[in-house]
Amino acid sequence: KQEVTQIPAALSVPEGENLVLNCSFTDSAIYNLQWFRQDPGKGLTSLLLIQSSQREQTSGRLNASLDKSSGRSTLYIAASQPGDSATYLCAVSGTDKLIFGTGTRLQVFP
Amino acid sequence: DTGVSQNPRHKITKRGQNVTFRCDPISEHNRLYWYRQTLGQGPEFLTYFQNEAQLEKSRLLSDRFSAERPKGSFSTLEIQRTEQGDSAMYLCASSLLETEAFFGQGTRLTVV
Repeated sequence: KQEVTQIPAALSVPEGENLVLNCSFTDSAIYNLQWFRQDPGKGLTSLLLIQSSQREQTSGRLNASLDKSSGRSTLYIAASQPGDSATYLCAVSGTDKLIFGTGTRLQVFP
Repeated sequence: DTGVSQNPRHKITKRGQNVTFRCDPISEHNRLYWYRQTLGQGPEFLTYFQNEAQLEKSRLLSDRFSAERPKGSFSTLEIQRTEQGDSAMYLCASSLLETEAFFGQGTRLTVV
C-alpha cells in the first residue's frame, strides 16, 4: 500500500529565505508526482507535475525534483514571500488515483 | 474553460438528512475523482470515474455514499442519512488519464 509522508509538518521562515519541502513515498512504481498548494478553506492549486521519466520541473521560483529509486521528492521555493504562506501537498499516482501526504504548513513572515 | 466547478460551496445540514453535491469537470477530461478532507489532513480518496464507469471505490465510502457520472460529464456525490462524522471538505478533481489533475474549490459540509 502506497504511503506518502511530508516533512516538516509546519515551517515558519522570514521573507526572502530559500526553503525545501520534503515528500517521501513507499512504493516507487509511480506514474507521476504532483505538488499542490492549498490556502485555508480553499481547494487545491496544482503547482508542478513531474512524470516518472523526469527528474525535475521548474515554474518561476519553484523547482521540484524526483528520485523514484529512493522514493523522494523535494519542492524548492526560492526567495520566499508572505504570499507563499499556505499548505503544500504532494501526491503520487500510479495508473489510477492520487495518494496524498498530510502536507507542510508554511508561514512566511515579513 | 473555467476549470473544475463544484456546487454548492457550503452546505449545512441536520443529522439524518440527505445531501447531494455536484462537480463539473474540465471539458474533455475523462477522469473524475472525489476526495474528502478533514482539518489538518491530506485529501483521502473516495472514488473515481473514467468516462461514465466508476472504476474504484474506497472502503471509506460506506453504503450511505453514492456517486454517479451520467454520460461521462458532470458527477454527483450523495450522502444519505448524514452523520456528524461526515463533516468535511469534499473535493472533486479531473484529468486526462494519468496526467495532471485539477481540483475544484470544494464543498464544505457541516452536519449539525
